[in-house]
Amino acid sequence: GENVEQHPSTLSVQEGDSAVIKCTYSDSASNYFPWYKQELGKGPQLIIDIRSNVGEKKDQRIAVTLNKTAKHFSLHITETQPEDSAVYFCAASIRNTGNQFYFGTGTSLTVIP
Amino acid sequence: DAMVIQNPRYQVTQFGKPVTLSCSQTLNHNVMYWYQQKSSQAPKLLFHYYDKDFNNEADTPDNFQSRRPNTSFCFLDIRSPGLGDAAMYLCATSRDRFGNEQFFGPGTRLTVL
Repeated sequence: GENVEQHPSTLSVQEGDSAVIKCTYSDSASNYFPWYKQELGKGPQLIIDIRSNVGEKKDQRIAVTLNKTAKHFSLHITETQPEDSAVYFCAASIRNTGNQFYFGTGTSLTVIP
Repeated sequence: DAMVIQNPRYQVTQFGKPVTLSCSQTLNHNVMYWYQQKSSQAPKLLFHYYDKDFNNEADTPDNFQSRRPNTSFCFLDIRSPGLGDAAMYLCATSRDRFGNEQFFGPGTRLTVL
């Protein structure tokens, strides 16, 4: 099955700086890569996603890049704000397998005011 | 607003006493998922329903059961909770099984005494 690795496990940045979280996956059949933000005591919320036919996607301060050859994808948050502090999970989904998500182990992001 | 609702948000039970967690959705999605999430870990898929078709993960203990009486509702039954079952239980939905966003509820925090 699919194996998703995520780094780093913790990340601290100064407010206004950029944050980058990286994930690798193992199955070349994976075709959907969502990123979820989870605040303490809440369910995960989708912040951005990308499909395998696209190399990059941007939504305001958040961007995701995908390198299918190397099997890795990254989340980029620019101009970080204290409210960006949360745990971020990447995931991969293999086509035609029931939309099962294989989650990374999570990155705890702290934005220092 | 269309959403995924979980009740209760906090549930306390005694060791071995059956407990049922509830999930409802107003999104009219075909797929509903139950995840277990322990502290500082990624969500772990227990099972999912595609319409009425039940799909159990191979490593989900027999102690965990699920029911989906209609499109809107899905229940997680833990027949004999052990201390190791204390966790956050997340319900999620998706439109279909082919690489789409999963919408998560706020979760139910289960404590086993």
